[in-house]
This record gives sequence, structure tokens and C-alpha cells, in this order.
Amino acid sequence: DTGVSQNPRHKITKRGQNVTFRCDPISEHNRLYWYRQTLGQGPEFLTYFQNEAQLEKSRLLSDRFSAERPKGSFSTLEIQRTEQGDSAMYLCASSRSDRAGTGELFFGEGSRLTVL
Amino acid sequence: GQNIDQPTEMTATEGAIVQINCTYQTSGFNGLFWYQQHAGEAPTFLSYNVLDGLEEKGRFSSFLSRSKGYSYLLLKELQMKDSASYLCALDDYKLSFGAGTTVTVRA
Repeated sequence: DTGVSQNPRHKITKRGQNVTFRCDPISEHNRLYWYRQTLGQGPEFLTYFQNEAQLEKSRLLSDRFSAERPKGSFSTLEIQRTEQGDSAMYLCASSRSDRAGTGELFFGEGSRLTVL
Repeated sequence: GQNIDQPTEMTATEGAIVQINCTYQTSGFNGLFWYQQHAGEAPTFLSYNVLDGLEEKGRFSSFLSRSKGYSYLLLKELQMKDSASYLCALDDYKLSFGAGTTVTVRA
């Protein structure tokens, strides 16, 4: 399978615990994006990388959230001291971008987080 | 922000045509995407408009007017499998999505 892969697919945790999600993008894609989606809403942008550089992070994003893409391949998204409001589907997407724009985003199946 | 607006829900009959409108307020963007998302699944790409005008792709067409801040997605010959959420997204080196329009196709 050469698509975007995310794991774990489901995570249930207690409030205050830390969680980490992993995303493996399509191998030739230089851009990697993290989004969050709740029921009835569109995906909300969190952050994105071009190769290993984190180019933008949403101003609405709490500093409890951190993401890395250490070698320009896979990425991790960590949420520290989780809160019930963090419960959502976390989507990763990748694209081959150029100066003309983002390029088509290919999404993974998502990691569903439930904070009790 | 882009203030992307779409209707929340639409219902149509199998075989009919449905037009989903998307309006936005932004100073500039590279292009406009439409994505389809079935319940419980990831969004998948439908269409992309860079220039004003109509892009046709089988049963789906998308239109963009930059001067009017307006786009629409046209779904023709509706099938039951077209029941899904349709997301409008602006490309400014990341995609900013609207809340989506849930389309229900009835027999």
C-alpha cells in the first residue's frame, strides 16, 4: 500500500495523559499536513512541513501540541496533558507541492482520539 | 481568515442534479479544491480550479469566479453512492476547508 498511513487508528486516554500519533506520507511527497476534524465540521488546519522544516502552525493551536518530521519522511504529532476538548479525528495528509500551490492532498484514514 | 461558507445540508433524488455553492472572503489564493468525504472515511480529491470558469470531470463539474468570491460543485446523474459530505477548500499553501455540505441522495 503506497498511500498515507496513520497509527494508531484509535486511541482512548484519560485526561492529563500524553498521546502521540504517527503519520507515514506517500514517499515522494515533500509536504506533510496535520488537520483535526470534529463531527459535522471540515478539517481544521494544525500545521505543515515541507521536507523536515515546519513552515506554519495554526495560531489557534495550543502549545500542548507539537509536531516533528525529523528526517523529512514520517511525522509525529504529540498532545501533552490532554483535555476532553482534544477529542477529535486527527488527519494527516501529504502532497507534492511546487511554487504553483499545495498540490492535491492525499489523506490518511485518521487517528481518532477520545479523551475521557 | 477565508470565511468559507457552504450550505449545511442538501437532499436530492437519484438521477437528479445538485449544485453546491461555496462563497469565501479572502485577498488571494492559488486555487480552489473540492473534496468528497464519506461518513467515517478520509476526504478524497474531486476537482481543482485555478482559473475562472468551468472544469468538467465526468459527472462532476466545478466552477470558479474569483471576482465574485464564488464557486460551485455540480453533481449530475446522482447515484446513491454520492451521498457524502462535500468540502470546499482554498489553497494558500495549505488548504483551508469549509464546514462541508452533507448531500443525501434518495431513491
